[in-house]
Amino acid sequence: DAGVIQSPRHEVTEMGQEVTLRCKPISGHNSLFWYRQTMMRGLELLIYFNNNVPIDDSGMPEDRFSAKMPNASFSTLKIQPSEPRDSAVYFCASRSLDWDTEAFFGQGTRLTVV
Amino acid sequence: AQSVTQPDIHITVSEGASLELRCNYSYGATPYLFWYVQSPGQGLQLLLKYFSGDTLVQGIKGFEAEFKRSQSSFNLRKPSVHWSDAAEYFCAVVLYNNNDMRFGAGTRLTVKP
Repeated sequence: DAGVIQSPRHEVTEMGQEVTLRCKPISGHNSLFWYRQTMMRGLELLIYFNNNVPIDDSGMPEDRFSAKMPNASFSTLKIQPSEPRDSAVYFCASRSLDWDTEAFFGQGTRLTVV
Repeated sequence: AQSVTQPDIHITVSEGASLELRCNYSYGATPYLFWYVQSPGQGLQLLLKYFSGDTLVQGIKGFEAEFKRSQSSFNLRKPSVHWSDAAEYFCAVVLYNNNDMRFGAGTRLTVKP
């Protein structure tokens, strides 16, 4: 398996624009996490899905953030409109609920909002 | 509130010296416990994990960690640090019944020659 795949790796956008981050989890994994990493706040859990259903989105900072998982092999994190304070590295991770496994992380998307 | 605490933000050790990174958790039940490492510009890589059984677990790159239920701790150790171990280390917990995975703030390790 190629691991968790995130795209794009880097995104630079202007304030006010819509940004969509994408994630393909490891095949067979039925739990998916979105994290945001900044120097100030460290690794924050934004939202996680079990079997494509959002379980806890209390970490989503504002209504500008939304996440979807239309099927078991794809998830998106959307920011609309984007703001400079959204600049961070966004990580997607997946794991299996059926086995005692760790979460596997993608390489992250570095978002810069100017 | 449930939390994961890594008390040390930054640690500097000399190459060849021993290392211990601290992790404490505050949960009602024993969670699953993990240590991850992150090199600059990279994602997170698993070093080791604890689910049950032997409380001393071995990981990759010569790391080990010991789960101490009485202290709610899961400290990471390495007997002899190499320059390539310089990175950021994260402790993480998952409550087995809700899959909520939380990370500590991380400890940055610097290795002096």
